[in-house]
Amino acid sequence: GQSLEQPSEVTAVEGAIVQINCTYQTSGFYGLSWYQQHDGGAPTFLSYNALDGLEETGRFSSFLSRSDSYGYLLLQELQMKDSASYFCAVREWIRSARQLTFGSGTQLTVLP
Amino acid sequence: NAGVTQTPKFQVLKTGQSMTLQCAQDMNHEYMSWYRQDPGMGLRLIHYSVGAGITDQGEVPNGYNVSRSTTEDFPLRLLSAAPSQTSVYFCASSFLRQDSRGYTFGSGTRLTVV
Repeated sequence: GQSLEQPSEVTAVEGAIVQINCTYQTSGFYGLSWYQQHDGGAPTFLSYNALDGLEETGRFSSFLSRSDSYGYLLLQELQMKDSASYFCAVREWIRSARQLTFGSGTQLTVLP
Repeated sequence: NAGVTQTPKFQVLKTGQSMTLQCAQDMNHEYMSWYRQDPGMGLRLIHYSVGAGITDQGEVPNGYNVSRSTTEDFPLRLLSAAPSQTSVYFCASSFLRQDSRGYTFGSGTRLTVV
């Protein structure tokens, strides 16, 4: 089986930096992904880490430590539009294909 | 380039009715999948397909059927709707061997079973 844990809620102020952590337990691990979902919207892909270390894409960075089964999403220079749910998801082999298994999501609220 | 298109966007069903949720993609993705999302929960995999003619079950397949006759289309059928199937349904697609590009999701179908 597999499980992912991430905080249910995080609050930060505009312009700040926030880190959303994700720990996972799984077999057949290939990588860790992050998705953003605004209320009522579709999830959108943010990042994917297959190897240990930090990946940077603009204001967003994602980190993975495979030995610790841990990753995080770092959001810098927070903007009001960053208020959304953020999901970590493990890429793992299930049945006949590599699949994405999602965590329960972290609701980020950015305050002015 | 439309991406992933889901129809309908909203649907209300009576218990016991059947219906088909449509999903189409125009990106030539081999992999397509259906997820359901319930309040306060992540997305749970219902069924998936790695190519035309190939489908398999995900985490929560009971009460749903799928087929994949073409690369583009992956409909989800509810056989006999139950209130427990009230949820938001998302279709997603991707290339099989390009993990770094992630999944592309449709805009979702909000289903209520009364």
